[in-house]
Amino acid sequence: AQSVTQLDSHVSVSEGTPVLLRCNYSSSYSPSLFWYVQHPNKGLQLLLKYTSAATLVKGINGFEAEFKKSETSFHLTKPSAHMSDAAEYFCVVSDRGGGFKTIFGAGTRLFVKA
Amino acid sequence: GAGVSQSPSNKVTEKGKDVELRCDPISGHTALYWYRQSLGQGLEFLIYFQGNSAPDKSGLPSDRFSAERTGGSVSTLTIQRTQQEDSAVYLCASSPTGTSGRIGADTQYFGPGTRLTVL
Repeated sequence: AQSVTQLDSHVSVSEGTPVLLRCNYSSSYSPSLFWYVQHPNKGLQLLLKYTSAATLVKGINGFEAEFKKSETSFHLTKPSAHMSDAAEYFCVVSDRGGGFKTIFGAGTRLFVKA
Repeated sequence: GAGVSQSPSNKVTEKGKDVELRCDPISGHTALYWYRQSLGQGLEFLIYFQGNSAPDKSGLPSDRFSAERTGGSVSTLTIQRTQQEDSAVYLCASSPTGTSGRIGADTQYFGPGTRLTVL
């Protein structure tokens, strides 16, 4: 069975400083991994996804994530935070074990201080 | 183009009543998903439809919950005899399954959700 753990429920950074949102996963099969973002009063939007190609994945708005199989991690990073990055971020694992399943992490709320 | 739409956007109902939530996926998308997002919680998978295959209902929390997808397009999630713990935002997503070549690897496009409040 697959699972996903977002290690921080809240992260606070200052504008212009790096962002790190941590995600660990468990999967019995070769998983697909995603990061979605949810801005207040807006729908979920895909940031980036990993599907067994390059392990370093670049997404929208300057975000990227690196798939590390040995560490079962898929952390999301951005070199320099912007005020508009303040939102809730969800790490997602999907595989075909026992049928199709998509599992969302509990979410990490990112606060960006001026 | 049009995205995923859901209706109603808000629904307030009394405990014990039945409710129906509607999802219109992006035209041509073969996969459709329902999730529930309770206050302060992540998304909980409910049910998944893929083409004409039998749906994966493994996430439905009880037999009060059911969903159908007519003609491979519009989907309705029905909650019977609603309880206060059913209060949540119900999200629908669709994806063009198969374009990534791997099951589960396709991007999901989410609707705005239906906020259900059970009094």
